[in-house]
Amino acid sequence: EDKVVQSPLSLVVHEGDTVTLNCSYEVTNFRSLLWYKQEKKAPTFLFMLTSSGIEKKSGRLSSILDKKELSSILNITATQTGDSAIYLCAVLRAGSYQLTFGKGTKLSVIP
Amino acid sequence: NAGVTQTPKFQVLKTGQSMTLQCAQDMNHEYMSWYRQDPGMGLRLIHYSVGAGITDQGEVPNGYNVSRSTTEDFPLRLLSAAPSQTSVYFCASSSGTGVGKVGEQFFGPGTRLTVL
Repeated sequence: EDKVVQSPLSLVVHEGDTVTLNCSYEVTNFRSLLWYKQEKKAPTFLFMLTSSGIEKKSGRLSSILDKKELSSILNITATQTGDSAIYLCAVLRAGSYQLTFGKGTKLSVIP
Repeated sequence: NAGVTQTPKFQVLKTGQSMTLQCAQDMNHEYMSWYRQDPGMGLRLIHYSVGAGITDQGEVPNGYNVSRSTTEDFPLRLLSAAPSQTSVYFCASSSGTGVGKVGEQFFGPGTRLTVL
């Protein structure tokens, strides 16, 4: 059974801080790891990391895949109140169409 | 493009009732899926489809049926509602069934279902 563990479960920071969210996984025949952001409603896709693409960056957000440690981090620099959300990590097994999600990290950014 | 749409937004059922949650997408996506989200549980896959006429079970399929007669629509049926099915349900789609595409899913706004 595939397993995804995110930490911390919740986090409160002040605007301007830098945060690091963690995701570790156990999956047979790993294919890719994905990050989603969920504000009040539906999740929105952020990044996909694979063996051939272990680093992604978009603006103040960046993510790295550590294949040796079976983990990934999501960094957010210069946080803003608009970054407040639940960040979800998911993994995809090779040859599978099923994403396995972690429980998420709830980030709260206060002014 | 409307993207992924879901109806209804909210629904209250009594135990034993049946109902269908509707999902439609106008992006000509091959892959569609249904998830449920419970507090502190993340998203769990119920059923998915890789094209019209093709469906398969996810992690938590019991108590739910799906069909995919067209590319656009992927309804989820609750056969006999139970309080354990109280949850928020999300439909999602992606542009291809290649593994690189499945992960980049577009989610609908969700249906909040309460079973009394």
